[in-house]
Amino acid sequence: QVQLQESGPGLVKPSETLSLTCTLSGGSIISFYWNWIRQPAGRGLEWIGRIYPSGNTFYNPSLKSRLIMSLDASKNQVSLKLNSVTAADTAVYYCATGDHDLDHWGQGTLVTVSA
Amino acid sequence: EIVLTQSPGTLSLSPGERATLSCRASQSVSSDSLMWYQQKPGQAPRLLIYGATSRATGIPDRFSGSGSGTDFTLTISRLEPEDFAVYYCQHYGTSAGVTFGPGTKVDVK
Repeated sequence: QVQLQESGPGLVKPSETLSLTCTLSGGSIISFYWNWIRQPAGRGLEWIGRIYPSGNTFYNPSLKSRLIMSLDASKNQVSLKLNSVTAADTAVYYCATGDHDLDHWGQGTLVTVSA
Repeated sequence: EIVLTQSPGTLSLSPGERATLSCRASQSVSSDSLMWYQQKPGQAPRLLIYGATSRATGIPDRFSGSGSGTDFTLTISRLEPEDFAVYYCQHYGTSAGVTFGPGTKVDVK
């Protein structure tokens, strides 16, 4: 059974870099397309971007300049780095697999940007 | 860029009633690229419908999707207590990637 788990610091200071990891169990990371989605409290979903098994990426244009996604097949992990964060980046961050549809999701991790 | 609009913003119904949720795209989209998700408080979204009409694995048949072009509908034939949640439509496009609608909250009347 495919399970995803996000992890990373829950608190990041403004102007610093948000770093999260998504770990897969029950499958191989190179079998999926990997997406990151975020959701500010009480608001809707925003797609951040995706990374393909090849390592190629497809980023949301509104975040592209601050984003780096990578994958580590040896650890069955994908990573997200978002630099120069502000309070507007405070949200629950989810990883999810899929191409057109997002069929497996992690439980999400809350990241707060605050001094 | 495709913009998705969902209506109504909130739908207040009683258990056993029929729920009809609308998702409208700013331009015609392929049905293959239109999805619906359910999200309950404190939980990740769950895929309900893919390709506009196909139920995802384990989704009860009281959930159905329909539509084409710019207008899509999610119907819950008879609301169960566990169906009160927020529902999002989603589009995938090769240029813009994944886009979500703003959501429709189905709450208890």
